[in-house]
Amino acid sequence: GENVEQHPSTLSVQEGDSAVIKCTYSDSASNYFPWYKQELGKGPQLIIDIRSNVGEKKDQRIAVTLNKTAKHFSLHITETQPEDSAVYFCAAKYSGNQFYFGTGTSLTVIP
Amino acid sequence: GAVVSQHPSWVICKSGTSVKIECRSLDFQATTMFWYRQFPKQSLMLMATSNEGSKATYEQGVEKDKFLINHASLTLSTLTVTSAHPEDSSFYICSASGTGGLQETQYFGPGTRLLVL
Repeated sequence: GENVEQHPSTLSVQEGDSAVIKCTYSDSASNYFPWYKQELGKGPQLIIDIRSNVGEKKDQRIAVTLNKTAKHFSLHITETQPEDSAVYFCAAKYSGNQFYFGTGTSLTVIP
Repeated sequence: GAVVSQHPSWVICKSGTSVKIECRSLDFQATTMFWYRQFPKQSLMLMATSNEGSKATYEQGVEKDKFLINHASLTLSTLTVTSAHPEDSSFYICSASGTGGLQETQYFGPGTRLLVL
């Protein structure tokens, strides 16, 4: 079955710096990779996604890159702000509409 | 668009009672709904997948008789935790996917925190 690994598990950055979170997946048939942000006590919120026919996607301060050959994808947050502090989950879509989720990265942006 | 709500947001119940959690897609038709359980500082654990009008498909290790899932309409799915025990205390989150442009991803509800005393 699919396996999604996510690193690092915790990440602290100074406000204004960039943050990078990396995920690897095992099923080469996976073709859709969303990223979710989860604030404490809330449900995950979709922040960006990428399909397997695209190498990079950007939305303001957030970008995602995908390397299909290496089976890894990354989330990049630039000019981080304290409100970016949250847990971030990557996911890979496999059979049907089910997702495999990474283990999460707790991001802390230090003012 | 693609808003999912859950009710209640939190619930406290006594051991042995049953609790029902509702998941609604507010502005789209959810052909598939998912129920997850999340323990503190852990990832999302898929419990079951349900398609409107069909029986839910449960993940291995999830007791279907304990966690009853009903997806009776394209906007509503319910999870009933029967004969709840303290070990069932957790954060339960639903998600939904729709049709067309909403088919590819899952949109999550805000979650329901269950505490069984």
